[in-house]
Amino acid sequence: GAVVSQHPSRVICKSGTSVKIECRSLDFQATTMFWYRQFPKKSLMLMATSNEGSKATYEQGVEKDKFLINHASLTLSTLTVTSAHPEDSSFYICSARLGTSGVTQYFGPGTRLLVL
Amino acid sequence: AQTVTQSQPEMSVQEAETVTLSCTYDTSENNYYLFWYKQPPSRQMILVIRQEAYKQQNATENRFSVNFQKAAKSFSLKISDSQLGDTAMYFCAFTGGYQKVTFGTGTKLQVIP
Repeated sequence: GAVVSQHPSRVICKSGTSVKIECRSLDFQATTMFWYRQFPKKSLMLMATSNEGSKATYEQGVEKDKFLINHASLTLSTLTVTSAHPEDSSFYICSARLGTSGVTQYFGPGTRLLVL
Repeated sequence: AQTVTQSQPEMSVQEAETVTLSCTYDTSENNYYLFWYKQPPSRQMILVIRQEAYKQQNATENRFSVNFQKAAKSFSLKISDSQLGDTAMYFCAFTGGYQKVTFGTGTKLQVIP
């Protein structure tokens, strides 16, 4: 149980285009999901907390207009990288907590984004 | 603010041997949760073990066990009978409950055949 999927697993796009990444909790409902960015050989950096039915909470330094997050249902959150630039190239990981009282975060397999 | 420190960037262990990864944390909270996550080369984050701060008993999961010292704010992970599949980055993590998780910088573990 507690499986989280991400799609796509890899994406290459041209500079200036937008890319959408989906995060799904497959066998549980998640009122809260999280989006992380991970640079090579580094730890996870929290970008934002996504709450179902409300606006996401962004961490300091993360551009809200560049990284659009939507959590429209209890099993799906999306991250859209708008007007992507090469410096946005990274590994993006989502996680989800079980229900409304879960503490443990379960992670998706990640999405590798390369902006040319 | 909470901080999590992993002072061992890299470690290695012979297959079948035992290794201990260190983690210390700092918090003013009394009720919290600690985790060890494993990130193999596939980069999928996998939960290894979880410890509730209010429990005095150390958590164990098969070959994985922790030494939780609440007063010292220490949370080390012991891997017994190391296997090649244990080769991965290991992240220690902290959460105060419904809040976000704070991760350490990670320890790269190499299991040598």
